[in-house]
Amino acid sequence: AQKITQTQPGMFVQEKEAVTLDCTYDTSDPSYGLFWYKQPSSGEMIFLIYQGSYDQQNATEGRYSLNFQKARKSANLVISASQLGDSAMYFCAMRESYGQNFVFGPGTRLSVLP
Amino acid sequence: DVKVTQSSRYLVKRTGEKVFLECVQDMDHENMFWYRQDPGLGLRLIYFSYDVKMKEKGDIPEGYSVSREKKERFSLILESASTNQTSMYLCASSFLERGSNEKLFFGSGTQLSVL
Repeated sequence: AQKITQTQPGMFVQEKEAVTLDCTYDTSDPSYGLFWYKQPSSGEMIFLIYQGSYDQQNATEGRYSLNFQKARKSANLVISASQLGDSAMYFCAMRESYGQNFVFGPGTRLSVLP
Repeated sequence: DVKVTQSSRYLVKRTGEKVFLECVQDMDHENMFWYRQDPGLGLRLIYFSYDVKMKEKGDIPEGYSVSREKKERFSLILESASTNQTSMYLCASSFLERGSNEKLFFGSGTQLSVL
């Protein structure tokens, strides 16, 4: 069974608007971490934001915030004030406490329109 | 600045060739990983290693092997390359801490084409 689901293969957003990229996950481990990575066309994977399962508040990093709804097992990435440079693939990933592995979703391709 | 370096950005090989993909990290990370990335499938784990000479199979180890003789270097080996191994290969590393927020650091990837 897929542990990380990203239901939006592609998304479009107008420059300067906010966009939400969906991520749902599946785990029975009470302790886990959720990560978002950005992959521009150049190919490198850039870490954006982290949310721990016990964190009380939603994580924020500049224009990125994570809408963490633990009961629903969702960890959506919100990008505010989109920029052209935000056009990229975005991957949601999870790391469970009992393993060293990171499990990735299939990704969402975001295109920011001028 | 953390660096994970993959030896080649692009590689073209013939079916049946033995292929070596090299990865070196300079952060003294215990964990190292090899993923392959295919459109619509995201990143899938091939092998990982949490210590020198240690290796663990990931989700798709068939057709691959790995070598970790030194802490900073993790090699992926395709014993006999096949066309279905054409893919983007990503190496990553992290510290060994369970349940922590230690993130993965990635190399820039190797796009392998097997003809």
